[in-house]
Amino acid sequence: EVQLVESGGGLVQPGGSLRLSCAASGFTFSTFAMNWVRQAPGKGLEWVSSMTSSGDYIYSAESVKGRFTISRDNAKNSLYLQMNSLRAEDTALYYCVRETWNQRGLDYWGQGTLVTVSS
Amino acid sequence: QSVLTQPPSVSAAPGQKVTISCSGSNSNIGNNYVSWFQQLPETAPRLLIYENDKRPSGIPDRFSASKSGTSATLDITGLQTGDEADYYCVTWDNSLRGKVFGGGTELTVL
Repeated sequence: EVQLVESGGGLVQPGGSLRLSCAASGFTFSTFAMNWVRQAPGKGLEWVSSMTSSGDYIYSAESVKGRFTISRDNAKNSLYLQMNSLRAEDTALYYCVRETWNQRGLDYWGQGTLVTVSS
Repeated sequence: QSVLTQPPSVSAAPGQKVTISCSGSNSNIGNNYVSWFQQLPETAPRLLIYENDKRPSGIPDRFSASKSGTSATLDITGLQTGDEADYYCVTWDNSLRGKVFGGGTELTVL
């Protein structure tokens, strides 16, 4: 069974930093591209960033470029999101999401970790 | 303002059919695969449709979808109260070089 478990969320002040983690199990993590998708309270889904299976290619939304960095450790079956210079508008539930095997879409989602940016 | 346009809400009676549209452009829907997700209240999204019109195992055939040009549609037949949820379309955008979601459609089963 595919499982994605996010952690690392919490309350942080504007301008602060946070590192999210996603522990993957139930599939061969090193062969799948991975994504972060967020959802602000009461709002829709917003794609944040993607990384290919080997880490060769990274894509990020304009809203987080230069502030957020996606990374992965295939030996640890883990995905990360380093978030710097956080803003109030980054407040959201952050989901770890697997790409389909042929990279034609998304399939499995974790339960999310909540990030709140507030003073 | 989302790159992909969905109606904010739709509604229909139990047993009826509803269609949710997702409108984009040649840089996204027109040249890439579309997926659809269902998000029940307080839960993570669940994959309903992938590669425009394919259902993962376990998804009832009451859910179907299609794509034509720069638009995609999700059809739900035999509506049940348990179908009340938010529905999202998503695809890749070649110009933005990233994934784009529709704004989401709230389905109410009256």
